[in-house]
Amino acid sequence: AQRVTQPEKLLSVFKGAPVELKCNYSYSGSPELFWYVQYSRQRLQLLLRHISRESIKGFTADLNKGETSFHLKKPFAQEEDSAMYYCALIRSGSARQLTFGSGTQLTVLP
Amino acid sequence: NAGVTQTPKFQVLKTGQSMTLQCAQDMNHNSMYWYRQDPGMGLRLIYYSASEGTTDKGEVPNGYNVSRLNKREFSLRLESAAPSQTSVYFCASSIGGAVGYTFGSGTRLTVV
Repeated sequence: AQRVTQPEKLLSVFKGAPVELKCNYSYSGSPELFWYVQYSRQRLQLLLRHISRESIKGFTADLNKGETSFHLKKPFAQEEDSAMYYCALIRSGSARQLTFGSGTQLTVLP
Repeated sequence: NAGVTQTPKFQVLKTGQSMTLQCAQDMNHNSMYWYRQDPGMGLRLIYYSASEGTTDKGEVPNGYNVSRLNKREFSLRLESAAPSQTSVYFCASSIGGAVGYTFGSGTRLTVV
């Protein structure tokens, strides 16, 4: 069975400091991993997907298959980055269901 | 483009009442999903529909039913609401592949 673990429920950093949100996964197949972000009382938005290896809003994430991790990083946090972040994994199969971690609430302090 | 539209945005029910949450997408996506979001538990899949005419249970289907009315619409029904079903419900759709999902804005349901 697949599982996504986000060990930190809450994370606070000061503006301008580096931030890393941790995500570990367990999955027997080849994972497809994503980061979603949810700003206060808004819908979830796709932030990153590991296949595209892109950088969005200064965030990057690298898939480390050896450590089964997909940590989200940003070198200089901004106050507008404060949000709930979810790591998610797609199961292979016809419907390709997303399995989510429990989320990390990031607060960037001024 | 509306994307994924959910109605209603808010609802308060009494225990034992029934209601249907509506979801529609205009992106010609094949797959649609219902999740519930609870503090500390992330999003959990209730039901999904891989394509028009098919539905399958997710992780937490008890107490819910779904209908894939056509390719655009996927509704979630609570036949007899319970306080444990107090949650925020999100509908999502996907075309498949590694492009992820598009989510609706959510329905905040309170069962008293």
